[in-house]
Amino acid sequence: DVKVTQSSRYLVKRTGEKVFLECVQDMDHENMFWYRQDPGLGLRLIYFSYDVKMKEKGDIPEGYSVSREKKERFSLILESASTNQTSMYLCASSFPSGGNNEQFFGPGTRLTVL
Amino acid sequence: AQSVTQLDSQVPVFEEAPVELRCNYSSSVSVYLFWYVQYPNQGLQLLLKYLSGSTLVKGINGFEAEFNKSQTSFHLRKPSVHISDTAEYFCAVGGDGGSNYKLTFGKGTLLTVNP
Repeated sequence: DVKVTQSSRYLVKRTGEKVFLECVQDMDHENMFWYRQDPGLGLRLIYFSYDVKMKEKGDIPEGYSVSREKKERFSLILESASTNQTSMYLCASSFPSGGNNEQFFGPGTRLTVL
Repeated sequence: AQSVTQLDSQVPVFEEAPVELRCNYSSSVSVYLFWYVQYPNQGLQLLLKYLSGSTLVKGINGFEAEFNKSQTSFHLRKPSVHISDTAEYFCAVGGDGGSNYKLTFGKGTLLTVNP
């Protein structure tokens, strides 16, 4: 089975802190994604990566950056956390065959910024 | 650009009743359609997908969906729901070709099954 793991299920940080969310997949997928999920807004794409060191902005990249140094690992970075970044963060991965790819999701990290 | 509209944000039903969760999409290219389920405090899990071929797609847990190109719809159905089907359901659309690896998700429908 494909497995996508995220470093923390719950995280509490203070305003202004630098926050790292880590995601690891074990299926050799080229594509990896970071979403945030908020009630009534569904899933919104923050960033995605289609290869090591390659990234593209999604729909809401402001306030976030990403890093992909190894194929299996995709990190989301909040340079200076703010309260409006309190949310559920979901990581996903897929094979690179166009839009017909099933995305496999991790369990999510619920981040609270105080 | 693609978009997905889930017409109901919440759907309450009684156990053993049938249910339909509605999804409409818009896209200028060929589409691939997905339904995902999210149980409380978990990530998303694929229920079913339409890539090509038969327009009636069967998925896990007794769910099925029908692709209707003329109505640009992909509604999810189950003939008899269980308490354990209580979850949030997301419809998603993927495009064809190029570098479009992305899925566009709807805002979700919360299905609550009551005893």
